[in-house]
Amino acid sequence: AQSVAQPEDQVNVAEGNPLTVKCTYSVSGNPYLFWYVQYPNRGLQFLLKYITGDNLVKGSYGFEAEFNKSQTSFHLKKPSALVSDSALYFCAVRDNNNDMRFGAGTRLTVKP
Amino acid sequence: NAGVMQNPRHLVRRRGQEARLRCSPMKGHSHVYWYRQLPEEGLKFMVYLQKENIIDESGMPKERFSAEFPKEGPSILRIQQVVRGDSAAYFCASSPEARPTLGYTFGSGTRLTVV
Repeated sequence: AQSVAQPEDQVNVAEGNPLTVKCTYSVSGNPYLFWYVQYPNRGLQFLLKYITGDNLVKGSYGFEAEFNKSQTSFHLKKPSALVSDSALYFCAVRDNNNDMRFGAGTRLTVKP
Repeated sequence: NAGVMQNPRHLVRRRGQEARLRCSPMKGHSHVYWYRQLPEEGLKFMVYLQKENIIDESGMPKERFSAEFPKEGPSILRIQQVVRGDSAAYFCASSPEARPTLGYTFGSGTRLTVV
């Protein structure tokens, strides 16, 4: 069965610094990987996905993620964090035979 | 396109009452997924439905919880005899196909509070 882990409950960065939110996964077959963001009292918003192709995926709001097959990771990154990036971030995974499973979420706080 | 609509946004129920959560998928979407987000936890898959059929209910508690997606009307997540531990945010997502490559479109959620 597939699973996804986000090892950090919370990530704190200063505005303007690069940020990384970590995600590792376990799946049989080829992974379909996703990042979602949740702002307070809102539903999840799609950020980006990896299906196939280039390992570096670019998404919304300047975010990108790098698929690393050998490390089974799909870390979310942004070169320069904004205060408005503060939110809850979810990594998700599925394979061809299952529905999506989500990580526990990582709370990103960007301080001015 | 109004997106995935969930109502009510907030629901307060006393212990022992029933809670009904509604989800209207995006136009053209016939696949609906329910997730539960407990306080300070991530999303947990509950159930996946296609029109008039339950496809995967592996995440549903064995008792008190049920879901339906009738031919006409919204999908309903029903919780009977609610307990305090049912307090959570319940999110619905929809997709136009069984396993979309784009991912799902989520609603804004229903926040259930059991008092």
